[in-house]
Amino acid sequence: QITLKESGPTLVKPTQTLTLTCTFSGFSFTTSGEAVAWIRQSPGKGLEWLALVFSDNDKRYRTSLEGRLSITKDTSKKQVVLTMTNMHPVDTGTYYCAHRPRSGYQILDFWGQGTLVTVSS
Amino acid sequence: DIQMTQSPASLSASVGDRVTITCRASQHISSFLNWYQQRPGRAPKLLIFGASTLQSGVPSRFSGGGSGTHFTLTISSLHPDDFGTYYCQESDTSQFTFGPGTRVDIQ
Repeated sequence: QITLKESGPTLVKPTQTLTLTCTFSGFSFTTSGEAVAWIRQSPGKGLEWLALVFSDNDKRYRTSLEGRLSITKDTSKKQVVLTMTNMHPVDTGTYYCAHRPRSGYQILDFWGQGTLVTVSS
Repeated sequence: DIQMTQSPASLSASVGDRVTITCRASQHISSFLNWYQQRPGRAPKLLIFGASTLQSGVPSRFSGGGSGTHFTLTISSLHPDDFGTYYCQESDTSQFTFGPGTRVDIQ
């Protein structure tokens, strides 16, 4: 069974850098085409995909946030880390990590429970 | 970037009702369209991928259709635990663009 769990600070100040860790189990992250993604959801709002890293270390970023985002993986630790610089109050929300299986479709089949991040001074 | 829209924004229906949600893409995406359900306080759950393929374990009352720019999600007979918000997501690009969501309330 695939599981993912997000961890990181619950409160960050404006202009600070956010670092979130996704710790996963149930897959080796060595299958070609497999990936882990980060998605966020502002309070009461919809879903916004942020970044994705494939098993071969290929990376994709949301175009509008590309300059602020960095995604890395540590397969031996079974972790994927997302950093977002220059945080603003509008970045407040629940941050999810999710598994993308090897598929011809860009699907997210297993999700973490999410972690709420508040940006406030 | 592809833009996704959904209608209606919200609906209220009774147990047993047939419910249909529409999703439109701003450009042709063939059948690269997925649907997710999100209950309050929970992570989204994949329901349908490839416009019409049911994810493993999803009840058969859910079905998807459409191609190109127009897609539908149908719940053939609404169950009490089908409340929540439903999102479409294009999978034609690597941007994973989601629609704004359709909130389903049970009357």
